[in-house]
Amino acid sequence: AQSVTQLGSHVSVSEGALVLLRCNYSSSVPPYLFWYVQYPNQGLQLLLKYTTGATLVKGINGFEAEFKKSETSFHLTKPSAHMSDAAEYFCAVSAVTGNEKLTFGTGTRLTIIP
Amino acid sequence: DGGITQSPKYLFRKEGQNVTLSCEQNLNHDAMYWYRQDPGQGLRLIYYSQIVNDFQKGDIAEGYSVSREKKESFPLTVTSAQKNPTAFYLCASSISRGRYEQYFGPGTRLTVT
Repeated sequence: AQSVTQLGSHVSVSEGALVLLRCNYSSSVPPYLFWYVQYPNQGLQLLLKYTTGATLVKGINGFEAEFKKSETSFHLTKPSAHMSDAAEYFCAVSAVTGNEKLTFGTGTRLTIIP
Repeated sequence: DGGITQSPKYLFRKEGQNVTLSCEQNLNHDAMYWYRQDPGQGLRLIYYSQIVNDFQKGDIAEGYSVSREKKESFPLTVTSAQKNPTAFYLCASSISRGRYEQYFGPGTRLTVT
């Protein structure tokens, strides 16, 4: 079985401040992990992904995430928030259970305070 | 431009009517997916197809049906049996079965009154 927990359904940060969005996963096998961003009334866009190898993954728009097996976490960070980062962010996990489905977290809405 | 198109963007129907949502991709992807998104619930998988003429139920398939007659197309029908059909519907595709990232269309917002 696989599952994803995103801590904090709403996160607010000031423009220029650090962005930290939390994601913890459960998987019985080594997971593949993904972060997606969704702007209002649009589809999801892939920010970054972890499959194997280097545990620090860099993505688009200055975001990065670190896979920590011991903590079963894959938190998303950005050093300096920009107004355009306001959106909803989804963490997802894929584990080899015979059907390779993606399981999504419930999302974190990021608000940027000017 | 390669991508996934969903039409229409907004759809309104009366209760008791079936409605079909369109999803087309020109990415040459084998696998396609339908998700339903409700506020605060994330994305829930309705149906997926890993190859033409084959599809599997996801986590919330009741009241929905699909077909996959062509590689490029994966239409979703919301039937009158779906108890609460008003939602945002997202179509996605991935290169093949396996643990690949999924690419999403822009979504269709269905309102049933």
